Amino acid sequence: DQQVKQNSPSLSVQEGRISILNCDYTNSMFDYFLWYKKYPAEGPTFLISISSIKDKNEDGRFTVFLNKSAKHLSLHIVPSQPGDSAVYFCAATPVGSNYKLTFGKGTLLTVNP
Amino acid sequence: EAGVAQSPRYKIIEKRQSVAFWCNPISGHATLYWYQQILGQGPKLLIQFQNNGVVDDSQLPKDRFSAERLKGVDSTLKIQPAKLEDSAVYLCASSSQGTGGGNEKLFFGSGTQLSVL
Repeated sequence: DQQVKQNSPSLSVQEGRISILNCDYTNSMFDYFLWYKKYPAEGPTFLISISSIKDKNEDGRFTVFLNKSAKHLSLHIVPSQPGDSAVYFCAATPVGSNYKLTFGKGTLLTVNP
Repeated sequence: EAGVAQSPRYKIIEKRQSVAFWCNPISGHATLYWYQQILGQGPKLLIQFQNNGVVDDSQLPKDRFSAERLKGVDSTLKIQPAKLEDSAVYLCASSSQGTGGGNEKLFFGSGTQLSVL
């Protein structure tokens, strides 16, 4: 039973354009969401997060949107750069759960020069 | 600031053998996690320590996996005996609180890639 779903295994965009990565969740108890980026042979690194009390959080070129009613979140990268090419994981946790993260399977983003 | 250190980077063993992984978290981080990442999947939590106590080990296959965190710092994860399906990357992570209070970040090590033949 996958509680966090990333239905697109891969995404390819041109440099300078917008990248949109999507994530759906099924567990209504999740109320804190995170995106991690992973390069080959490295561990995941934290990118951006959002609490369920917000519907948007922005950090430079990265913006995460949360639609609680649809149980959907998305990560927007504008403008996309070749260095953004990596696997992006969506993760979720119920606040107060000792931070037990549930990860999606990841989306491989390729930004072409 | 030094990151999360893990060793070895790679390990190849035959099924039924035993193997151990080591993790040194970021200095001062009270919470330590071990995750298993099978190829094509997201990381799955195996065990979480708060200082040297176990907070969550509900997804740890306790018949073959064991973990300890002595003195609340370094940790080792052991598999005995290994099975083919244990082939994965084993990631260690640490955080300063681990209480799920929001605005919290997990810092991951580079992982140990285990191949069981």
